[in-house]
Amino acid sequence: AQRVTQPEKLLSVFKGAPVELKCNYSYSGSPELFWYVQYSRQRLQLLLRHISRESIKGFTADLNKGETSFHLKKPFAQEEDSAMYYCALRSGSGNTGKLIFGQGTTLQVKP
Amino acid sequence: NAGVTQTPKFRVLKTGQSMTLLCAQDMNHEYMYWYRQDPGMGLRLIHYSVGEGTTAKGEVPDGYNVSRLKKQNFLLGLESAAPSQTSVYFCASSPPGLRTDTQYFGPGTRLTVL
Repeated sequence: AQRVTQPEKLLSVFKGAPVELKCNYSYSGSPELFWYVQYSRQRLQLLLRHISRESIKGFTADLNKGETSFHLKKPFAQEEDSAMYYCALRSGSGNTGKLIFGQGTTLQVKP
Repeated sequence: NAGVTQTPKFRVLKTGQSMTLLCAQDMNHEYMYWYRQDPGMGLRLIHYSVGEGTTAKGEVPDGYNVSRLKKQNFLLGLESAAPSQTSVYFCASSPPGLRTDTQYFGPGTRLTVL
């Protein structure tokens, strides 16, 4: 079964501390994984995708097929990083674009 | 461009009432989706559409119906609302082809069923 698991509901860190938001997936095949973010009073939006191997707002995520993980990391958290973060897996074959989302992790960065 | 808009923003229903949520997008996207967001459950796909006149079931379709009569609009209907349908509903759209992974979301509709 295709599944995305984010084990932490809430992650609370102090400003300047490193951040790691965990994401594990279950998928038979070559996965395509993404991180979406929802800031307070804003829309859910794409943060980054694994195929781009990009760094957005200081965040990076590496796909580890051996551990079936796609953890989101940032070396020094900022208060403006406080948001809800969702890990997502592109589901199925073909071009339907369906995504399976994890349960979400709220990141709280304290001053 | 307004992007993806949703109407209404808030609604309170009584059990058994019906309503339709409207999603509109002005980006000429082929694909559109309806999700519900519940605490601890993340976003779950209700129905989706890969083009005008076509719809398909997602992960949690029971109790909902959809229609895509025009490319820019995707309607979500609740025929007989139940308290279990209390949730925040999000609509999203995406272009076809290589960019289907990028979904553009609406602001959400908060629905309470009493």
